[in-house]
Amino acid sequence: DTGVSQNPRHKITKRGQNVTFRCDPISEHNRLYWYRQTLGQGPEFLTYFQNEAQLEKSRLLSDRFSAERPKGSFSTLEIQRTEQGDSAMYLCASSLSDQPQHFGDGTRLSIL
Amino acid sequence: KNQVEQSPQSLIILEGKNCTLQCNYTVSPFSNLRWYKQDTGRGPVSLTIMTFSENTKSNGRYTATLDADTKQSSLHITASQLSDSASYICVVRGGDKLIFGTGTRLQVFP
Repeated sequence: DTGVSQNPRHKITKRGQNVTFRCDPISEHNRLYWYRQTLGQGPEFLTYFQNEAQLEKSRLLSDRFSAERPKGSFSTLEIQRTEQGDSAMYLCASSLSDQPQHFGDGTRLSIL
Repeated sequence: KNQVEQSPQSLIILEGKNCTLQCNYTVSPFSNLRWYKQDTGRGPVSLTIMTFSENTKSNGRYTATLDADTKQSSLHITASQLSDSASYICVVRGGDKLIFGTGTRLQVFP
């Protein structure tokens, strides 16, 4: 399967802990996006990369959040000092420039 | 303010019936409009994408329409199947940004 892959699929952690998610995009896609989705809502944009450059960050991305795409391939999203409100599905998508985005199946984060 | 509104919020239909989902948007500048299907616990999957000049686009039993003058789109599902149970999200591209609707939750019962 050559789709967008996200790991882990589910993460349960205690409030205050740090978590890191990984996204492997479709190999030839130069753009990679992170979204957050809460129950009953559409995805909300967090940030996106073109190759290894982080080009835009939403104001939703507080200073506890950091995303990297060091070699322009896979990306990681880290949340430090997690809070209850961070509980959500974190979706990754990739695209070839302005072509339609292909989404992964997300990482569901549950904060206890 | 760029917004995408969908209705109804949720819908229950019997297998075999048709249904139509609505999307109204206020996004400028407008680039294209996409409908995604999202199964529970999965990522969204693209169904159709339409540009300003396109009025209708079909993908199997799914037919999307676009009226760029009234800024409205609809997604019509014909002869629904149990596997159509999902959330359907309308997404409008305005410039570099994607504006997501909150989705319509469709449940198809036998």
